[in-house]
Amino acid sequence: SYELTQLPSVSVSPGQTARITCSGDVLGENYADWYQQKPGQAPELVIYEDSERYPGIPERFSGSTSGNTTTLTISRVLTEDEADYYCLSGDEDNRVFGGGTKLTVL
Amino acid sequence: QVQLVQSGAEVKKPGASVKVSCKASGYTFTGYYMHWVRQAPGQGLEWMGRINPNSGGTNYAQKFQGRVTMTRDTSISTAYMELSRLRSDDTAVYYCARFSYSGYDYRGDYWGQGTLVTVSS
Repeated sequence: SYELTQLPSVSVSPGQTARITCSGDVLGENYADWYQQKPGQAPELVIYEDSERYPGIPERFSGSTSGNTTTLTISRVLTEDEADYYCLSGDEDNRVFGGGTKLTVL
Repeated sequence: QVQLVQSGAEVKKPGASVKVSCKASGYTFTGYYMHWVRQAPGQGLEWMGRINPNSGGTNYAQKFQGRVTMTRDTSISTAYMELSRLRSDDTAVYYCARFSYSGYDYRGDYWGQGTLVTVSS
């Protein structure tokens, strides 16, 4: 079965750039999405197809993939960006989430 | 506007089954896959499977094979997820999510509000 690995936590100061990575063999052949989840809320789509920003998502959010690693980059981080971020990938009939990364904005 | 409204919280005993519903509105129900995702307390997201509301065809994560059944009723634009032989570690919030095709792949663009299922004796 597929497996995606994320660091449990990333910390940045407001205005800095946050980079959240997700690694796994499945990424070599499939696109990845990124979802943002704030406490008590359902996940929300941020990035799809590795690098496409979902409508309404600020341009500060971007995605890229190189080999078996996909990266969510948040530029000029705001306190409101503090949340858990999950990558999702897989083929049409089998998907897997990464373990999630808690972004703390100090 | 697209909405996915899930059924209310459930409390079940170990060994029982639970059936969570997800009523869709604001779009053509049969035109989009519905996925189910769960999240145990303090834990990450876990993909459970998906259903094609048009054909009824399903794909389940290996972990849930034999215990999960996803169905739909197109007459009322509602998808269902039933999990059987419940254990305490099935305690989680269960989400339905609409996945739409973007031209190259599917993405989860609309999510239900979540349904808390508590398994306790």
